[in-house]
Amino acid sequence: SQKIEQNSEALNIQEGKTATLTCNYTNYSPAYLQWYRQDPGRGPVFLLLIRENEKEKRKERLKVTFDTTLKQSLFHITASQPADSATYLCALVTLSGNTPLVFGKGTRLSVIA
Amino acid sequence: SAVISQKPSRDICQRGTSLTIQCQVDSQVTMMFWYRQQPGQSLTLIATANQGSEATYESGFVIDKFPISRPNLTFSTLTVSNMSPEDSSIYLCAAGEPSNQPQHFGDGTRLSIL
Repeated sequence: SQKIEQNSEALNIQEGKTATLTCNYTNYSPAYLQWYRQDPGRGPVFLLLIRENEKEKRKERLKVTFDTTLKQSLFHITASQPADSATYLCALVTLSGNTPLVFGKGTRLSVIA
Repeated sequence: SAVISQKPSRDICQRGTSLTIQCQVDSQVTMMFWYRQQPGQSLTLIATANQGSEATYESGFVIDKFPISRPNLTFSTLTVSNMSPEDSSIYLCAAGEPSNQPQHFGDGTRLSIL
């Protein structure tokens, strides 16, 4: 069956460290993978998109990698701050295009000062 | 990026009643989506709202239970019909363009059915 899994339900890290979140998928052929941030009581906010032919994408302190062999995306936040505390969702779009986003359950990140 | 306004932000409803949720976008968008998010769970797509045609529903969701309107390129409604406690959830509206562009979300409607 098709699955998209974010391995950690919750992740606690010390301020200033790099947070690494994992997204694995099974039985999908994603063309794109997106990462969103969701704060309590708010809707998800788009952060980064990476295409299947891209290995890495960066935006300020954020970095996303995409390994189609491992069927995995990693999301990194460097020099993490308490303000980075939120739930981070990965979502994929399959090769058939214009298909709905399929979301993982998210990882709740807490950055401790 | 598009700004999405959704209302009501929350409601408590009686079993057997219906509630219509409104979603307004500040610019014209091709695609609008309705999701459900239960506590601790991922977002599940209910349907894609198409302007000028019927919505496209995902497996497990039917038009009689979740009728959707999309009268123009900036507005959509989702009705949750004949509600039961199992319908208690957060309902989110999103908007975007084709070709796998990012989606922009409203802040959701928190619905509780007694």
